[in-house]
Amino acid sequence: QQQVKQSPQSLIVQKGGISIINCAYENTAFDYFPWYQQFPGKGPALLIAIRPDVSEKKEGRFTISFNKSAKQFSLHIMDSQPGDSATYFCAATSGGGSEKLVFGKGTKLTVNP
Amino acid sequence: GAVVSQHPSWVICKSGTSVKIECRSLDFQATTMFWYRQFPKQSLMLMATSNEGSKATYEQGVEKDKFLINHASLTLSTLTVTSAHPEDSSFYICSARFKSTEAFFGQGTRLTVV
Repeated sequence: QQQVKQSPQSLIVQKGGISIINCAYENTAFDYFPWYQQFPGKGPALLIAIRPDVSEKKEGRFTISFNKSAKQFSLHIMDSQPGDSATYFCAATSGGGSEKLVFGKGTKLTVNP
Repeated sequence: GAVVSQHPSWVICKSGTSVKIECRSLDFQATTMFWYRQFPKQSLMLMATSNEGSKATYEQGVEKDKFLINHASLTLSTLTVTSAHPEDSSFYICSARFKSTEAFFGQGTRLTVV
């Protein structure tokens, strides 16, 4: 019930391509869904987040698509760049973000030049 | 975004000794701080949640006498790994939040116990 399932585990994309990472959850009480970017040896940094009252949120090259009925959400990175190479974690929480985060297992993205 | 600073960034200690990791919120008051542990190529595992002035709430399976957490002020929380052993070697990350706002992460501390 508390899990967030993330796929794929790893992803290789050519520069300029679109990177897509998917997450699914079971707990219908989740109401805040952030994505984090983590570089090796660093802490995670918030990339973009969405609440279930909208189906899509875009910030620059990063877009979250949210499907409430399917309990799925995904991160799309447009025009992927080598600098985007990192590990991406989806997460979910309830209480509008006030409760503890439940993380997916992460996706290692490699963008080839 | 807000800044959360961890210190040290890395530490090596001898087996049997204790090591303290600090987590500071530099530009906001952190009413809640979280401590995570991350093994190589794995996700973040929540160890405990601490609210300023209160005892930390530990996740199941985390030894509270092993991992001492103190959140004595609104800008500082500490994690002390007591009697460290090689299996405690890991990447420890804190995050801090003011009330119900977004939580910000520190840069992490690499602990190596030899």
